[in-house]
Amino acid sequence: NAGVTQTPKFRILKIGQSMTLQCAQDMNHNYMYWYRQDPGMGLKLIYYSVGAGITDKGEVPNGYNVSRSTTEDFPLRLELAAPSQTSVYFCASSPHTEAFFGQGTRLTVV
Amino acid sequence: EDKVVQSPLSLVVHEGDTVTLNCSYEVTNFRSLLWYKQEKKAPTFLFMLTSSGIEKKSGRLSSILDKKELFSILNITATQTGDSAVYLCAVREVSGGSNYKLTFGKGTLLTVNP
Repeated sequence: NAGVTQTPKFRILKIGQSMTLQCAQDMNHNYMYWYRQDPGMGLKLIYYSVGAGITDKGEVPNGYNVSRSTTEDFPLRLELAAPSQTSVYFCASSPHTEAFFGQGTRLTVV
Repeated sequence: EDKVVQSPLSLVVHEGDTVTLNCSYEVTNFRSLLWYKQEKKAPTFLFMLTSSGIEKKSGRLSSILDKKELFSILNITATQTGDSAVYLCAVREVSGGSNYKLTFGKGTLLTVNP
């Protein structure tokens, strides 16, 4: 059982480039979340989704976009990458109980 | 302002000590409070609390929730070096209909020295 799979694990972007962080879950969870974690900090919610076709902004949505066309996939899009987006990104999925996390994507914008 | 506040932000203890980590929250439509342990990588689940006064226990770790005071504690007894990690508290609230939002605190960095 794969759980929550994030790709890529690492990426270096140049300022102004764009990219998509992939997240897939095989547990048929309705809820999915994207967080970013800066050094020494907790997890800040970027976007979340309660099911296919439904997404909502979290605490720090600026500079990001998401889509949820299927239950399984919840990609996070960065347009015009900025150094402030250097962070570790975690995707999580959840039924109504605990959240299950992917292993994270470490993104550096230079 | 932060909806989930953890204290202390960092703590250094010796093996064998007992520690108490705190989490206070302020949300409108509370559903549950979750504790996670994060070592190098992704957070791993410890407890989920939904009712006041009912202690959840797993080995040397235990946690309890006070919904009146909007507060939870995580206790670790007889600490070991393997307990060194960031402990995260998260609160699930209903936001706008059936949207279940999960908000994390900044975490407590626990260091257990031999």
